Amino acid sequence: GQSLEQPSEVTAVEGAIVQINCTYQTSGFYGLSWYQQHDGGAPTFLSYNALDGLEETGRFSSFLSRSDSYGYLLLQELQMKDSASYFCAVLYSGAGSYQLTFGKGTKLSVIP
Amino acid sequence: KAGVTQTPRYLIKTRGQQVTLSCSPISGHRSVSWYQQTPGQGLQFLFEYFSETQRNKGNFPGRFSGRQFSNSRSEMNVSTLELGDSALYLCASAGTSTYEQYFGPGTRLTVT
Repeated sequence: GQSLEQPSEVTAVEGAIVQINCTYQTSGFYGLSWYQQHDGGAPTFLSYNALDGLEETGRFSSFLSRSDSYGYLLLQELQMKDSASYFCAVLYSGAGSYQLTFGKGTKLSVIP
Repeated sequence: KAGVTQTPRYLIKTRGQQVTLSCSPISGHRSVSWYQQTPGQGLQFLFEYFSETQRNKGNFPGRFSGRQFSNSRSEMNVSTLELGDSALYLCASAGTSTYEQYFGPGTRLTVT
C-alpha cells in the first residue's frame, strides 16, 4: 500500500518562510507532486519532483530525497493569499499504469 | 481552453437513494479520476478511467461505480447512499502527465 505523512496544520507570519514536510512509504515510487487548495476551491497543481533535489517556481520550491522517502514544499515571502491547504501526492506505478495518491493535507495559516 | 466542469455543484439526497455525478474533462484529456474529500481525510482516490476503461480503482465499496464515454466525459454513481457518503466529490482530468491533474470545482453531496 501507499502511505503519506504530512503535518495537519502550520502557522507562519506574513513575509516569512515556511516548509511543509512530507514523508512517504510507497512501492513503485515514481515522483512527488504538490497541490494547493483554498477553502471552497479545487486543488491546483504546484510542482512535481521525479529526481532528487530542489525545483524552484517563483516563491515556491519543492525538494525530494528518494533515499529518505522525504520531500518538502518551501514557500518564501509568505503572503496572506498563501493561506490554504497543501497536499503532497505520490506518483507510483502499479497494475500497468501510474497512479496518484494524496496525503491528508496541511492547512497553512498565514498571520499578519 | 475550458477547465474541468462538474454537475451538479450541490446535491441533497436521502439515505438509501442513489446519485449520479457528471464530469467533463479538459478537451483532449483522456484520463479522468474521481476523488472523495471529507474533512481531515484528504483526497481519497475512487477510480480512474482512461479511454472508456477503468484503469485504477481505490478502496471503496462496490456501491461506488463509474464509467467513461467515448467523448471522455465521465459519470460516477453511488447507490444505496449512506450518511457517511456526504462529501465533496472531485473529478480531475490529466493529459500525458498523470502527476499533473486538473480538478473540477466538485460536487458537494449531502446525505440526510
